[in-house]
Amino acid sequence: DTGVSQNPRHKITKRGQNVTFRCDPISEHNRLYWYRQTLGQGPEFLTYFQNEAQLEKSRLLSDRFSAERPKGSFSTLEIQRTEQGDSAMYLCASSLALGQGNEQFFGPGTRLTVL
Amino acid sequence: RKEVEQDPGPFNVPEGATVAFNCTYSNSASQSFFWYRQDCRKEPKLLMSVYSSGNEDGRFTAQLNRASQYISLLIRDSKLSDSATYLCVVRRTTPLVFGKGTRLSVIA
Repeated sequence: DTGVSQNPRHKITKRGQNVTFRCDPISEHNRLYWYRQTLGQGPEFLTYFQNEAQLEKSRLLSDRFSAERPKGSFSTLEIQRTEQGDSAMYLCASSLALGQGNEQFFGPGTRLTVL
Repeated sequence: RKEVEQDPGPFNVPEGATVAFNCTYSNSASQSFFWYRQDCRKEPKLLMSVYSSGNEDGRFTAQLNRASQYISLLIRDSKLSDSATYLCVVRRTTPLVFGKGTRLSVIA
């Protein structure tokens, strides 16, 4: 499968625990994005990388959230001290950086439930 | 006010019907426009880009009116397989900005 992959697909955790999600983009894509989607809403942008550089962060990305892409390939998103409001689908997408019209391809998402 | 506004629906239509979705966006600096389709509990997938001249892909036609900041999607001859949530999406710089989505159910 050459699409975007995300692991785990589901995560259930207790409030206050830390969680980490992984995203593997399409191999030739140098841009990688994280979005969050809650029930009944469209995805909301969190952050994106071009290669290993984190170029933009949304104000939704509180200081409990950190994302990395150390070698410019896969990325991790960590949430520290999870809260019930963090329950959502976390979507990763990747694209090429050339031009403005390049399609963002989404992975299947990691569904987080905080009890 | 949300940057991208859509009627959430649901739209329940019989097979073969024509259905139209509308969307407005608030940021006049938006540069690119799209419709994404999202099936239940799946990831969003690009349905089509939207251009000022209007564009068509089979049974789907998209229109953009920059002056009114308005985007539309028309689906002709609806199929059961068209049942999904349709997300209106704009891009000003790099990140995509999504509307809440409009849910479509096509009924036999």
